Amino acid sequence: QVQLVESGGGLVKPGGSLRLSCAASRFTFGDYFMTWIRQAPGKGLEWVSYISRTSSSTNYADSVKGRFTISRDNAKQSLYLQMNSLRAEDTAVYYCARTDDSGNMDVWGKGTTVTVSS
Amino acid sequence: QSVLTQPPSTSGTPGQRVTISCSGSSSNVGSNAVSWYQQLPGTAPKLLIYSNDQRPSGVPDRFSGSKSGTSASLAISGLQSEDEADYYCAAWDDSLNGPVFGGGTKLTVL
Repeated sequence: QVQLVESGGGLVKPGGSLRLSCAASRFTFGDYFMTWIRQAPGKGLEWVSYISRTSSSTNYADSVKGRFTISRDNAKQSLYLQMNSLRAEDTAVYYCARTDDSGNMDVWGKGTTVTVSS
Repeated sequence: QSVLTQPPSTSGTPGQRVTISCSGSSSNVGSNAVSWYQQLPGTAPKLLIYSNDQRPSGVPDRFSGSKSGTSASLAISGLQSEDEADYYCAAWDDSLNGPVFGGGTKLTVL
């Protein structure tokens, strides 16, 4: 069935960097917008970033703007999130989600955990 | 502080009907469709309702959504123990140019 699998999470020191990946399968990746969402421990969902089908349009939450970069490779059916200058408050489970034209996130991965701590 | 406002918790007994509210503003709920997500304990969120009142295939018709003005609601009828989960509303926000979420509502089935 349609699937998204995140990877790349881990433990990193404040100020460090990580690159998350999201591998898509069993659907035409290039037909969809893609979104990153995060969930801090015990907290709710927070939108992080989205990217359009051809990468022509991207946007970021104010909390990560200037530090995170979203990208995609449609040939590899993959989505990425480069995270720099990480802070303790970036600690969360990061989910990627397939997103339709109306912004509905209809397929989610299981998430990858990022912990920022010294 | 979430952009969309939901009650932190609600509860019901098996078979009962419960509703969860979601309040926003003219830049999000008032001008864009609302979706609802169910997050069972320890799992990823799952799309439950999209375009205000549409159910993806596989979602039981016990779940229904509605919207009026800048508010939306999720109703769950014939409550079952497996419905115990966190529920989030979401909508595109024209000012932020991105989706916004409610803070989530924890549903307890007594």
